[in-house]
Amino acid sequence: AAGVIQSPRHLIKEKRETATLKCYPIPRHDTVYWYQQGPGQDPQFLISFYEKMQSDKGSIPDRFSAQQFSDYHSELNMSSLELGDSALYFCASSSSTREQYFGPGTRLTVT
Amino acid sequence: AQTVTQSQPEMSVQEAETVTLSCTYDTSESDYYLFWYKQPPSRQMILVIRQEAYKQQNATENRFSVNFQKAAKSFSLKISDSQLGDAAMYFCAYRSGETSGSRLTFGEGTQLTVNP
Repeated sequence: AAGVIQSPRHLIKEKRETATLKCYPIPRHDTVYWYQQGPGQDPQFLISFYEKMQSDKGSIPDRFSAQQFSDYHSELNMSSLELGDSALYFCASSSSTREQYFGPGTRLTVT
Repeated sequence: AQTVTQSQPEMSVQEAETVTLSCTYDTSESDYYLFWYKQPPSRQMILVIRQEAYKQQNATENRFSVNFQKAAKSFSLKISDSQLGDAAMYFCAYRSGETSGSRLTFGEGTQLTVNP
């Protein structure tokens, strides 16, 4: 069965640089979610989109923005990167209110 | 705001034995879902089992079953016939059932070790 695809899988950036993370949901899933997981922590919700409209918003820094495109893929844009942004970023997708399936994650390292 | 609490940071079990992981949650909503996710060393988040709050029957998926006590706001996971591959971090999660796109709120996780 098709799964959620995230790219890139690993990303190394320097402080103050910009990063773009991409997410391709499971086919026919209309909802995309972004989570951030720091070392030894549980995943923290950032933002979600349902049918290309922002649906829920968590503790996402103003330096971050995201959108869902017409083909339902989503991008998370991160600017002015800080050392504390180093984390595993998950994208998940679901069909409306059903369970969320997670991608493999993008490991972001900020140096 | 909803909260999820896992009071067991670490648990261990012998291979082929049964182990129960605890989870409690707090909410004022009547429509919600509860989940258990597994995160092995690969860091992939894998859905183990889901429970709808309106269902009285406890969910079961092969060796995994839950004990859902709605009044007590308790949602424990039982793993029967534990296998080495069950070793992972287990997260309990809550989601509101009211709107599409609702976030998952996770507990702190329980690290499960399976001893051969």
